[in-house]
Amino acid sequence: KNEVEQSPQNLTAQEGEFITINCSYSVGISALHWLQQHPGGGIVSLFMLSSGKKKHGRLIATINIQEKHSSLHITASHPRDSAVYICAFMNRDDKIIFGKGTRLHILP
Amino acid sequence: DTAVSQTPKYLVTQMGNDKSIKCEQNLGHDTMYWYKQDSKKFLKIMFSYNNKELIINETVPNRFSPKSPDKAHLNLHINSLELGDSAVYFCASSLGQVGYTFGSGTRLTVV
Repeated sequence: KNEVEQSPQNLTAQEGEFITINCSYSVGISALHWLQQHPGGGIVSLFMLSSGKKKHGRLIATINIQEKHSSLHITASHPRDSAVYICAFMNRDDKIIFGKGTRLHILP
Repeated sequence: DTAVSQTPKYLVTQMGNDKSIKCEQNLGHDTMYWYKQDSKKFLKIMFSYNNKELIINETVPNRFSPKSPDKAHLNLHINSLELGDSAVYFCASSLGQVGYTFGSGTRLTVV
């Protein structure tokens, strides 16, 4: 069983839609990261979470430690949000595990 | 004023050659990392260095060796390059577990 599962793998939506990307993990973690990889390849760290919820602009990340689940939400989505979104965490062995990513495409 | 800079951005080389990719960060971070992104875009950690000590060493071939002359640099040296080494390699840094910042990547093509 994979230690981390992301869903959906691919998501196409219309501009303005509310987007949710999910990340479930099966092991104890110390923190979870959400990363964004643009079509050009650059990677940006969006959030690091160990509990609760964080908000940055139109992006919101939540984590439920008991349920081993995190979500990334995008409000009022825009074509420039089109990217691959990756969740990653460090497990108790200090090993970094990456999800396989969610490819998001926002249509104008 | 680039935070994490990698060089070169592109590297095309023949099988069997030895090559290095350089990484420098000016953020004062204490940990630096190398990741490999394969053809399916899956990211995998290769190494991380904290205060010049290797703290994670994934099961990568020993042809790959990280070299850290100081806290601001973590270079990746690859011996006897193979076709399967073709990938995009990302350097990153962090301060503890915060402030993860990635370099722009080095696309390595082995022919």
